[in-house]
Amino acid sequence: GENVEQHPSTLSVQEGDSAVIKCTYSDSASNYFPWYKQELGKGPQLIIDIRSNVGEKKDQRIAVTLNKTAKHFSLHITETQPEDSAVYFCAERLRGNKLVFGAGTILRVKS
Amino acid sequence: ETGVTQTPRHLVMGMTNKKSLKCEQHLGHNAMYWYKQSAKKPLELMFVYNFKEQTENNSVPSRFSPECPNSSHLFLHLHTLQPEDSALYLCASSQVERDEQFFGPGTRLTVL
Repeated sequence: GENVEQHPSTLSVQEGDSAVIKCTYSDSASNYFPWYKQELGKGPQLIIDIRSNVGEKKDQRIAVTLNKTAKHFSLHITETQPEDSAVYFCAERLRGNKLVFGAGTILRVKS
Repeated sequence: ETGVTQTPRHLVMGMTNKKSLKCEQHLGHNAMYWYKQSAKKPLELMFVYNFKEQTENNSVPSRFSPECPNSSHLFLHLHTLQPEDSALYLCASSQVERDEQFFGPGTRLTVL
């Protein structure tokens, strides 16, 4: 079925600590997995993505890992800052250009 | 204007009204999407247009009617909506040949 499970639903961390958000997908044919950040009053913004031919991708303080066998992928944010506070969504791409999203994780970075 | 723009940003309408949401992308993309974002639910894909042709209708009720006159503009016509249709409606665009989708800021719709 078309389903992406995302955990946790809320996450509070201290400024400077790391944050990890995990997603599990169901379609073994999926080959593209983006992560979006949504701030209050704004649309989702693509922050990083990974394709099924790689296991890890990094961009400064954020990284994504993919385990195709287990069908899960994770977002890692290091040295968190207050401006990282937002809602984060994972997604998998199904056939064509259809994205299925997780339910979202509210990240709060406490200073 | 840059990126994906949506108007209006906020809309309040009665159940008997007819209104339209507008989306415009300035990225040279050829695919456009409508999503619905309700509280405590994942983003739901509603419609997909590739090269102005509708390629996906995700079982959306007929009270929502999309229109894509060209690859830069997308409309969502609304009529006889229900209070449960209140949500944030997001437009996105992409290149058909590429994976990345870019979202607009959304229209916050309230149906009374």
